[in-house]
Amino acid sequence: SAVISQKPSRDICQRGTSLTIQCQVDSQVTMMFWYRQQPGQSLTLIATANQGSEATYESGFVIDKFPISRPNLTFSTLTVSNMSPEDSSIYLCSVLSAPGTEAFFGQGTRLTVV
Amino acid sequence: GNSVTQMEGPVTLSEEAFLTINCTYTATGYPSLFWYVQYPGEGLQLLLKATKADDKGSNKGFEATYRKETTSFHLEKGSVQVSDSAVYFCALSLYNTDKLIFGTGTRLQVFP
Repeated sequence: SAVISQKPSRDICQRGTSLTIQCQVDSQVTMMFWYRQQPGQSLTLIATANQGSEATYESGFVIDKFPISRPNLTFSTLTVSNMSPEDSSIYLCSVLSAPGTEAFFGQGTRLTVV
Repeated sequence: GNSVTQMEGPVTLSEEAFLTINCTYTATGYPSLFWYVQYPGEGLQLLLKATKADDKGSNKGFEATYRKETTSFHLEKGSVQVSDSAVYFCALSLYNTDKLIFGTGTRLQVFP
């Protein structure tokens, strides 16, 4: 299993600012993903965080808005840039130790933009 | 496109009642199917999974069978407990990818 520490757990931010969310795993993992859960909706995949290279974004998500870093096999960050109230969501980090194995999730970051 | 549809909640039951949470999917190819659970104040946890047609996933008294003919993966439990109160998410992943596509989640509330 993998233990994920996601920080911050929650934040209230002013519109127009940016927030960086950290995801730290207690072991090396192959796959890291970032999801968003908007109020009353399902989880939606934002991007796959690739070690040492640019993240792979899903349709509707762009690097300028959600820059992602993954410098090594245990750590990734997601930045929510130039925030608006529509960005108020829970953001979750997910990891797999190897392809096809169980996905583990962080507890999420609850973001409120005012 | 690929999607998951699950019944809306909340589902409210008395302890020891029978539980069914419906889940249907639309997918190209042959997806793997999952049920995740989120207990209050905790992160998502894998509850059970099935990787091919007619497979039955089971864990903690919960079961779900991969029905290709009806594109369904309904979650069942014969006798729920108060401790089962949580939000349940049905999800799929497409062949050869670990990206998950989730349903909207169903909140289960079990009362003593």
